[in-house]
Amino acid sequence: RKEVEQDPGPFNVPEGATVAFNCTYSNSASQSFFWYRQDCRKEPKLLMSVYSSGNEDGRFTAQLNRASQYISLLIRDSKLSDSATYLCVVTTYSSASKIIFGSGTRLSIRP
Amino acid sequence: DAGVTQSPTHLIKTRGQQVTLRCSPKSGHDTVSWYQQALGQGPQFIFQYYEEEERQRGNFPDRFSGHQFPNYSSELNVNALLLGDSALYLCASSLGGGGSTDTQYFGPGTRLTVL
Repeated sequence: RKEVEQDPGPFNVPEGATVAFNCTYSNSASQSFFWYRQDCRKEPKLLMSVYSSGNEDGRFTAQLNRASQYISLLIRDSKLSDSATYLCVVTTYSSASKIIFGSGTRLSIRP
Repeated sequence: DAGVTQSPTHLIKTRGQQVTLRCSPKSGHDTVSWYQQALGQGPQFIFQYYEEEERQRGNFPDRFSGHQFPNYSSELNVNALLLGDSALYLCASSLGGGGSTDTQYFGPGTRLTVL
């Protein structure tokens, strides 16, 4: 089993729709969680950090569920410009710290 | 405010050769991490440098080595190249070394093709 797993998609949704992705992780000692966005042939860019209390940034909402070991990303009122690959990142800080990216979920917004 | 820069942007090598990739971190950052991203996959963590030392390492063989300079810039060296080393190599900079929750900023990457 992979340490961080994401549904690869692609998710193909109409403009204006709400879409949600999940990312599961296997290490219960994981401490920091992030969502990155990666456009085709570009570098990943931080979308948002994920906090235990949940956090929102405009149309984007991130949630962390430690009991079930997953994080989620919700995009409301999706725009054509939201089309990208969304990568979750799980970090564990210890004597053998790990920074693990999921394989990414592809999202395509259609007009 | 200069972001993370990487050179070269593209590189073509043959099997068995050696390659050196370079990275300059974002202004004010002291930590550099290197990742390998194969097509259709997420970035895989290679190692992280802080205070000129390798602080963390992912599951990569010793053919992958690195260095950090006093100005915080970094190099990634790969020896005895294999076809499977063909990938996008990403450098990310942050502040505070291993254990920090600070955001990582990525450079545009170096696309390595091994023939």
